[in-house]
Amino acid sequence: QQQVKQSPQSLIVQKGGISIINCAYENTAFDYFPWYQQFPGKGPALLIAIRPDVSEKKEGRFTISFNKSAKQFSLHIMDSQPGDSATYFCAAMGSTDKLIFGTGTRLQVFP
Amino acid sequence: NAGVTQTPKFQVLKTGQSMTLQCAQDMNHNSMYWYRQDPGMGLRLIYYSASEGTTDKGEVPNGYNVSRLNKREFSLRLESAAPSQTSVYFCASSEALDRLSAFFGQGTRLTVV
Repeated sequence: QQQVKQSPQSLIVQKGGISIINCAYENTAFDYFPWYQQFPGKGPALLIAIRPDVSEKKEGRFTISFNKSAKQFSLHIMDSQPGDSATYFCAAMGSTDKLIFGTGTRLQVFP
Repeated sequence: NAGVTQTPKFQVLKTGQSMTLQCAQDMNHNSMYWYRQDPGMGLRLIYYSASEGTTDKGEVPNGYNVSRLNKREFSLRLESAAPSQTSVYFCASSEALDRLSAFFGQGTRLTVV
């Protein structure tokens, strides 16, 4: 079964708009939640990450919101730009250090 | 500073052939991983190694074997390739002690015909 569920599968946003991607998990042993960005033909690269002891983390235009009780977390991209067009993956990791990924969201930002 | 290096970048195999995908990292990381990426499926963990000499199954280990040759190298072997193993394979490494997130290689695109 999918341990980390991600939605939507694809997202189209106009330049300057807000992109929102959601993830949910079941395993309460997860204690580290990174987001990855992947461009075509490249490996995934870390974008931003959060631990469950905080509810929000912001780095530039990228913000993670974390709801521990609901076991959900989301990525918000403010002022979305065409250069943000990529596939985004949420992930989760616990004490075993297995990094488990969501199914990915393909984001397209149109000018 | 190469990071995580995978070889080869592309490979075509015939059904039943065997091959080994190589991965090396130069960041002195303890943990290493092999993932496969398929459309609509995200990245699925095949095997991982928490330290030199140890390996453990991930989500989709069937049809694969791994070797953690030393701290730097982690190889993935397909003993008898099947068309279902057509995929893009990524190796990654991470420093478990600091819980830094994984750094990925550029991937190997494998086609089994």
